[in-house]
Amino acid sequence: EAQVTQNPRYLITVTGKKLTVTCSQNMNHEYMSWYRQDPGLGLRQIYYSMNVEVTDKGDVPEGYKVSRKEKRNFPLILESPSPNQTSLYFCASNGQGTEAFFGQGTRLTVV
Amino acid sequence: AQKVTQAQTEISVVEKEDVTLDCVYETRDTTYYLFWYKQPPSGELVFLIRRNSFDEQNEISGRYSWNFQKSTSSFNFTITASQVVDSAVYFCALSDLDRGSTLGRLYFGRGTQLTVWP
Repeated sequence: EAQVTQNPRYLITVTGKKLTVTCSQNMNHEYMSWYRQDPGLGLRQIYYSMNVEVTDKGDVPEGYKVSRKEKRNFPLILESPSPNQTSLYFCASNGQGTEAFFGQGTRLTVV
Repeated sequence: AQKVTQAQTEISVVEKEDVTLDCVYETRDTTYYLFWYKQPPSGELVFLIRRNSFDEQNEISGRYSWNFQKSTSSFNFTITASQVVDSAVYFCALSDLDRGSTLGRLYFGRGTQLTVWP
């Protein structure tokens, strides 16, 4: 079954404690991306990757890091989380011109 | 620059009413795709439709229909005889195919919250 798997689904953490949200896809897609969703602001892209070892900033990259060492995985790293990074996060993958497949979402709370 | 505008932040209708969600896009590319996604209260993002820039035919799928007009850069979504289960946030998105540096990137509108009352 074609899917994007992100973990964890829910996470509560404290300010400054490094965390990683994992994302994996099984469709051999070149393109992967991370979004955050906040009320009234829709989906804003954090980072995207066009292929292995190729990543670029989206619209709101501050405070986040990513890596793409393998085609299937695209983890999102928060080195020092802050309360303003409390949000709903989505990982997505797509091929050229195809629809994006989204993970189930990670609800992150930073206290 | 690529941009998608969904001017309607919230829409409320009563069951069985028809409702149209507007989507206006901006791109300098001649080759692109447009998409609609649904996000029900459970939170997942559900793909509804993809349309390429060379196909302006309207599409109908059950109670859903889409009207793509390049002349007005619009890709509107109509739900006929709405139902309570249609209550969700709906996102319109654009993907360009001409630009090497952003090939495959999706640009989303801010979404329209549709509430259908019984």
